[in-house]
Amino acid sequence: QQQVKQSPQSLIVQKGGISIINCAYENTAFDYFPWYQQFPGKGPALLIAIRPDVSEKKEGRFTISFNKSAKQFSLHIMDSQPGDSATYFCAASDTGNQFYFGTGTSLTVIP
Amino acid sequence: EPEVTQTPSHQVTQMGQEVILRCVPISNHLYFYWYRQILGQKVEFLVSFYNNEISEKSEIFDDQFSVERPDGSNFTLKIRSTKLEDSAMYFCASSSLAGYNEQFFGPGTRLTVL
Repeated sequence: QQQVKQSPQSLIVQKGGISIINCAYENTAFDYFPWYQQFPGKGPALLIAIRPDVSEKKEGRFTISFNKSAKQFSLHIMDSQPGDSATYFCAASDTGNQFYFGTGTSLTVIP
Repeated sequence: EPEVTQTPSHQVTQMGQEVILRCVPISNHLYFYWYRQILGQKVEFLVSFYNNEISEKSEIFDDQFSVERPDGSNFTLKIRSTKLEDSAMYFCASSSLAGYNEQFFGPGTRLTVL
């Protein structure tokens, strides 16, 4: 059972462009939605997270948009930079303990 | 900056052998986790651990798996009799608080079962 579905699998964006990664979830009990960034050879690192009481959260160039009724959330990376090239995972949790991860999106930002 | 460390970085073992993966969480953290990531697939939760007890585990974490905090600093994952399908990257994570707080991940141990 795939609790969190993530798309696209890979994404290529020009430097300065907007990167958009989408996730959808099944379980309406989920109430915490983090995004993780993973560089090769490293573990995932928390990028930004949102609770369902808000529809949007912005931190620098990174924004999460959350649509509770559609059970969807997305990560927007504004002014994408080559240093943003990494794998991005969305996740969801209903306990804050066990996280259900998406399948990951490999982002390449072309200079 | 404090970080989670894991050893070894790569472990190769024969099917049926026992392996122990080691993690040193961030020193003031109290909550510990193991995840695995089969190559090319999603990260999957295995187990969470607090106060020397398992607090939550997934269906993947069967009787072949066990966790331990043997000495107050290390946190270990033992797989008693490895199978080919146990080949994966295993990540340890820790957090200072329970619930909706950042889990800090280590760099992972790549386990290859032959």
